[in-house]
Amino acid sequence: QKEVEQNSGPLSVPEGAIASLNCTYSDRGSQSFFWYRQYSGKSPELIMFIYSNGDKEDGRFTAQLNKASQYVSLLIRDSQPSDSATYLCAVTQPGTASKLTFGTGTRLQVTL
Amino acid sequence: KAGVTQTPRYLIKTRGQQVTLSCSPISGHRSVSWYQQTPGQGLQFLFEYFSETQRNKGNFPGRFSGRQFSNSRSEMNVSTLELGDSALYLCASSPQGPIYNEQFFGPGTRLTVL
Repeated sequence: QKEVEQNSGPLSVPEGAIASLNCTYSDRGSQSFFWYRQYSGKSPELIMFIYSNGDKEDGRFTAQLNKASQYVSLLIRDSQPSDSATYLCAVTQPGTASKLTFGTGTRLQVTL
Repeated sequence: KAGVTQTPRYLIKTRGQQVTLSCSPISGHRSVSWYQQTPGQGLQFLFEYFSETQRNKGNFPGRFSGRQFSNSRSEMNVSTLELGDSALYLCASSPQGPIYNEQFFGPGTRLTVL
């Protein structure tokens, strides 16, 4: 079992719709959770982080964390073509706060 | 504030050679982590330096090494290059505050081993 799992996609959503990206993790002790966006040929860009159960909103983005079910999700409202990218989920474990363990990413395509 | 910078951006080497990559973190950030990204394995953690000390290490062979200087700049070295070392090498810096440890990535160095 992979430590962090994501559906590779592509996830295709029409412009203006809500894109829902999901991530599950295997280590129940995981502490911090991050979402990165990576455009083709570019480096990952941090878009959200969440540490506590529940929802965290930042503009069009909402991160949701459910530690009991060991999943974290990212919702993108009013999706735009510029949101088309690969979204990477990353987690950290206690004692290794600087070691990000990444999923393989979900490719999102926002269609016109 | 300037972001993380990495040099060089592109590098071509042959098998058996060694290579040194450089990373300058965001001003005030004391933690620098290195990652390798390949199409097959995705993003994998190499190691992390904080205050000139290696604090965490991933599962890479000893050919991969690093160091950090007093100004927080970091270098990564790969000796005896193999074809499989071809990858995008990413450096990330973190403020390492008491609660938050989010990491910000540089543009990366794309290494091609021929």
